[in-house]
Amino acid sequence: KAGVTQTPRYLIKTRGQQVTLSCSPISGHRSVSWYQQTPGQGLQFLFEYFSETQRNKGNFPGRFSGRQFSNSRSEMNVSTLELGDSALYLCASSYTSGIYNEQFFGPGTRLTVL
Amino acid sequence: GENVEQHPSTLSVQEGDSAVIKCTYSDSASNYFPWYKQELGKRPQLIIDIRSNVGEKKDQRIAVTLNKTAKHFSLHITETQPEDSAVYFCAASIPRDDKIIFGKGTRLHILP
Repeated sequence: KAGVTQTPRYLIKTRGQQVTLSCSPISGHRSVSWYQQTPGQGLQFLFEYFSETQRNKGNFPGRFSGRQFSNSRSEMNVSTLELGDSALYLCASSYTSGIYNEQFFGPGTRLTVL
Repeated sequence: GENVEQHPSTLSVQEGDSAVIKCTYSDSASNYFPWYKQELGKRPQLIIDIRSNVGEKKDQRIAVTLNKTAKHFSLHITETQPEDSAVYFCAASIPRDDKIIFGKGTRLHILP
């Protein structure tokens, strides 16, 4: 079974621009969560989508948004980029929603904001 | 607010010795505690988890212990090997929000 995939793998943007990241979950998985990983802060939860609905949201500003499509693929959008948004963005899929489900992570998209 | 503290941030251990990583959590309702391992340049992967109805769980060289009273849980790796070098993340569930909060990670170096 193919693992979680993310595109693009690397991205360079400038301040003020917007960016869209994509995540394709493992086939059959319906839950997708997004995390921001930085050296000082570890893994910080952005949001979770299940059946095209946002179930949970972390403590990030409204510039960070996402959506999920009927095939469970998910996109994350960041508008008006700031230097501090430079990070590795990881998505993780699980078979269903809920805290007891193992999350399978993708390879991440490394975003650099100049 | 919800918080998971993880210590130490960096740990160096001689090959063959044991390594211990400790975490504390703030939400007394937390009842699920997974640990993820992230090797350099790779994605995090679940290595072991424990639920609040048990105090200890083992899987070969790794074990996790939980003290609900003190709101502490720890990862123990025995007979460490070079392939154990990685960043380890602890996490705790927040049941009312149905989500997981991660610690900031521990970078484990296994010295030859």
